[in-house]
Amino acid sequence: DVKVTQSSRYLVKRTGEKVFLECVQDMDHENMFWYRQDPGLGLRLIYFSYDVKMKEKGDIPEGYSVSREKKERFSLILESASTNQTSMYLCASRISSYNEQFFGPGTRLTVL
Amino acid sequence: SQQGEEDPQALSIQEGENATMNCSYKTSINNLQWYRQNSGRGLVHLILIRSNEREKHSGRLRVTLDTSKKSSSLLITASRAADTASYFCVPNAGGFKTIFGAGTRLFVKA
Repeated sequence: DVKVTQSSRYLVKRTGEKVFLECVQDMDHENMFWYRQDPGLGLRLIYFSYDVKMKEKGDIPEGYSVSREKKERFSLILESASTNQTSMYLCASRISSYNEQFFGPGTRLTVL
Repeated sequence: SQQGEEDPQALSIQEGENATMNCSYKTSINNLQWYRQNSGRGLVHLILIRSNEREKHSGRLRVTLDTSKKSSSLLITASRAADTASYFCVPNAGGFKTIFGAGTRLFVKA
């Protein structure tokens, strides 16, 4: 089975801190995604990567950056965390653009 | 990329009943994917139906696809309390970006 893991299930950070969320997949998938999910707003795409070192902005990239130095790992970086970035963050991967996505368990981030 | 629109927004049924959810989309697709999200198991892929398929089964799930009407339906037979979740359809045309809609929230009462 495909496994997508995220570095933390719960995280509490302070405003202004730099935050790293890590995602690792074990199935050699080309594409990887970062979403955030908020009540009433659904799942929104922050960034996706279609290959190593390649990235594209999603719908809400402001305040975030990403890094994909190795195929299996996709990191989401909050350069200076703010309270409006308190959310559930979901990572996903898939083999290619015609395939289904596999999601990690999510990281619930609270920024105080 | 395009977003699927699920209908109804919410559905409440008794355990043992069947649940049907519908999805509509706007442009041509390569396939359509259904996902489920609940608090216990997170967001998981359920079934993928290709544009040249009309019906697909997986356990208690039955998915239909009508490309002429740009619509799909997900039927869950003999629902269980554990089926309580949000269900999302994702039309896929092969683009890099995928968009999840608001989903259908299913409540199965024991």
